[in-house]
Amino acid sequence: EVQLLESGGGLVQPGGSLRLSCAASGFIFSSYAMSWVRQAPGKGLEWVSGVSGSGSSTDYADSVKGRFTISRDNSKNTLYLQMNTLRAEDTAVYYCAKGVVTAVYYFDYWGQGTLVTVSS
Amino acid sequence: DIQMTQSPSSLSASVGDRVTITCRTSQGISNYLAWYQQKPGKVPKLLIYAASTLQSGVPSRFSGSGSGTDFTLTISNLQPEDVATYYCQKYNSAPFTFGPGTKVDIK
Repeated sequence: EVQLLESGGGLVQPGGSLRLSCAASGFIFSSYAMSWVRQAPGKGLEWVSGVSGSGSSTDYADSVKGRFTISRDNSKNTLYLQMNTLRAEDTAVYYCAKGVVTAVYYFDYWGQGTLVTVSS
Repeated sequence: DIQMTQSPSSLSASVGDRVTITCRTSQGISNYLAWYQQKPGKVPKLLIYAASTLQSGVPSRFSGSGSGTDFTLTISNLQPEDVATYYCQKYNSAPFTFGPGTKVDIK
């Protein structure tokens, strides 16, 4: 059974940093692209960042480019999102999502999400 | 970047109705489009990929069509459990943008 478990969310001040983690199980982690997708309170889905199965290719939404860094450790079956220079508009539930093959970015499994609140 | 629009933004229909949601992209994306269902308080669920391929386990009353810039999601026999917000997503190239969503409820 595929499981994705996010952690690392919380309350952070504007300008601060946070690192999210997503522990994956139930599939061959290195064979699949992974992404972070966020949802601000009462709003729609926003794709944030993605990484290929090998970790060699990464992409970012313009809204986070230069501030967020996605990475993965295939030996630990874990996906990360390092978030720096956080802004109030980054407040959202952040979902870890599994792609369907190594470099295809639609998502057949999602985690339950971790809430990030940026506020003073 | 390619812009995504969905229409309508919300709709109310009766049980048993046929419901159609449209997704449009500002540039052609071939058939690299997926549809998701998000029920209130729940995680998004993949319904359709490659514009018209039904994900395993999804009821056959859901169907998708389209190519290029115009796509549709159809629910052929609306059920109470279909109350949700529906999102389209492009995946031909980054950014893998979602549409703004269409909220469906029961009249």
